[in-house]
Amino acid sequence: GEQVEQLPSILRVQEGSSASINCSYEDSASNYFPWYKQEPGENPKLIIDIRSNMERKQIQELIVLLDKKAKRFSLHITDTQPGDSAMYFCAASEGGRALIFGTGTTVSVSP
Amino acid sequence: AQTIHQWPVAEIKAVGSPLSLGCTIKGKSSPNLYWYWQATGGTLQQLFYSITVGQVESVVQLNLSASRPKDDQFILSTEKLLLSHSGFYLCAWSLDWGSQNTLYFGAGTRLSVL
Repeated sequence: GEQVEQLPSILRVQEGSSASINCSYEDSASNYFPWYKQEPGENPKLIIDIRSNMERKQIQELIVLLDKKAKRFSLHITDTQPGDSAMYFCAASEGGRALIFGTGTTVSVSP
Repeated sequence: AQTIHQWPVAEIKAVGSPLSLGCTIKGKSSPNLYWYWQATGGTLQQLFYSITVGQVESVVQLNLSASRPKDDQFILSTEKLLLSHSGFYLCAWSLDWGSQNTLYFGAGTRLSVL
């Protein structure tokens, strides 16, 4: 089945700088790639997603890039704020039957 | 608007004791329902999914079972808890079965097995 690799596992950045998280997947049939943000003790919440008919999507400070040939996608948080500190998960759809999640990235934004 | 409610919020249970966790979806008929498990600081592992009442598919074997007794209800249970069952259990729903499989998670149940 699908497997999703996510790096780095920990990311420490200064407030105002950019943070980038990279994911790769194996199943070329995967066509949906969401990103979830999970604050401590809470449930994961969808923050942005991209479908295979797109290469780039931006919602405010969040940018997602998709390279289908390389089977890679990435999340970029521009102008990070302390409120961006959380765990982030990428995921890929496995033919629509399930979302397979990456191992997570803990982002810490320091003032 | 759709709402998803999980119960209980937290449980502390002894090894070998039974467990039942519940999830109810309101505002959406015939949702796809899922159970996920998350170890502390870990990734989200899908356990079960269901696309209709009475039908549940297992994704991983963790000595757990799931049932869907009603269209809006999903139950996770076991007769004998193991230490390894500790973690965060999340119920989720999605709109359809196709490529736009966005998951919406409930607030979760935190389980500690001692």
